[in-house]
Amino acid sequence: DSGVTQTPKHLITATGQRVTLRCSPRSGDLSVYWYQQSLDQGLQFLIQYYNGEERAKGNILERFSAQQFPDLHSELNLSSLELGDSALYFCASTPGSSYNSPLHFGNGTRLTVT
Amino acid sequence: GQQVMQIPQYQHVQEGEDFTTYCNSSTTLSNIQWYKQRPGGHPVFLIQLVKSGEVKKQKRLTFQFGEAKKNSSLHITATQTTDVGTYFCAGPDTGRRALTFGSGTRLQVQP
Repeated sequence: DSGVTQTPKHLITATGQRVTLRCSPRSGDLSVYWYQQSLDQGLQFLIQYYNGEERAKGNILERFSAQQFPDLHSELNLSSLELGDSALYFCASTPGSSYNSPLHFGNGTRLTVT
Repeated sequence: GQQVMQIPQYQHVQEGEDFTTYCNSSTTLSNIQWYKQRPGGHPVFLIQLVKSGEVKKQKRLTFQFGEAKKNSSLHITATQTTDVGTYFCAGPDTGRRALTFGSGTRLQVQP
């Protein structure tokens, strides 16, 4: 058990809808990272938050947004969903802000858009 | 931007055979990390290599970081069914300030 908690485990929704994925980092970790894993794209970095502030941005679509709350949990919001958004979404955490630190991943949320 | 490539994409071995996966980066890396993802699971950190030419061992697993710090390898001796999964290398992308993952090598072990 990595100590990173993600909910829900599975999500099935229709195109055009909006969903929210939630992540609680390991106790003491201040950074949260979001990654998308699809069959043909591997693990793609979306965004990083450190202590409530956006720290780095990757291949995150404009339809997607994220935030980190004062209690350090993070939410990834996906809107106007398309079939191609179906994927596994992982959250990971690290103690500090450095992207050189090993990542501790949660179990992921599997999103299916129909 | 930085690219991290892994070969092979897939390997099927008989239990007891050795296995090697190779990782190549388009840029020099300050460090390289390796992760394992079991089927249906999440990536789990295995090891981090920092020094040029560094070699580290974890039981039957041997990790190497190239002299130029642009490539790395993971070698498993005498594979077991518990080694099944996808092995990813990952290197820091200073432009994006994030860890970039290779495409992974999926290992299947036939008992």
